[in-house]
Amino acid sequence: DAGVTQSPTHLIKTRGQHVTLRCSPISGHKSVSWYQQVLGQGPQFIFQYYEKEERGRGNFPDRFSARQFPNYSSELNVNALLLGDSALYLCASSLVSSSYEQYFGPGTRLTVT
Amino acid sequence: AQSVTQLGSHVSVSEGALVLLRCNYSSSVPPYLFWYVQYPNQGLQLLLKYTTGATLVKGINGFEAEFKKSETSFHLTKPSAHMSDAAEYFCAVSASSGGSYIPTFGRGTSLIVHP
Repeated sequence: DAGVTQSPTHLIKTRGQHVTLRCSPISGHKSVSWYQQVLGQGPQFIFQYYEKEERGRGNFPDRFSARQFPNYSSELNVNALLLGDSALYLCASSLVSSSYEQYFGPGTRLTVT
Repeated sequence: AQSVTQLGSHVSVSEGALVLLRCNYSSSVPPYLFWYVQYPNQGLQLLLKYTTGATLVKGINGFEAEFKKSETSFHLTKPSAHMSDAAEYFCAVSASSGGSYIPTFGRGTSLIVHP
């Protein structure tokens, strides 16, 4: 069975640009969460979605947004990129939003120059 | 509110030596506790978890952790380190909030294994 997949693997953007990151959960999982992991730190929670609805939001500015599609895949969008947005963005899936066990994808490495 | 403190950003051991990675947590409700491992340029892999029941939890790759409520600790151990254990380790605490479980991660401990 395929695990959580994320695309792209790496990308480089310039300050002020917009970026879209994509995530496909494990088959049968209906909840997707997004995390930002800055170099040298643990992952920080950004969003959780379940059945296309936002179920949780971390302490991130409104430049960050996300959505979940009917097939349970998800997109994370970041507008007006800043240098500080450079990080590894991790997606995790779980059966439902109330599941405490999450399965992580390999991440998307975003570099903002 | 919940938080995690991992003592020591780097731990260095010799191959075959005991591995001990420390984690202390705070949580206003009974927590679920996790250890994850992250190899370079990869995502997080669950090593083990504590939810309820037995306080000594065994995970993959020979790791185990003990939940000590009185000490608010969940330290990770392995009797004998292998070179392949070199990685970043994250402790996380999670509790139900509005029906969802959102984990809070520590800053991570880098395990270095010397031959």
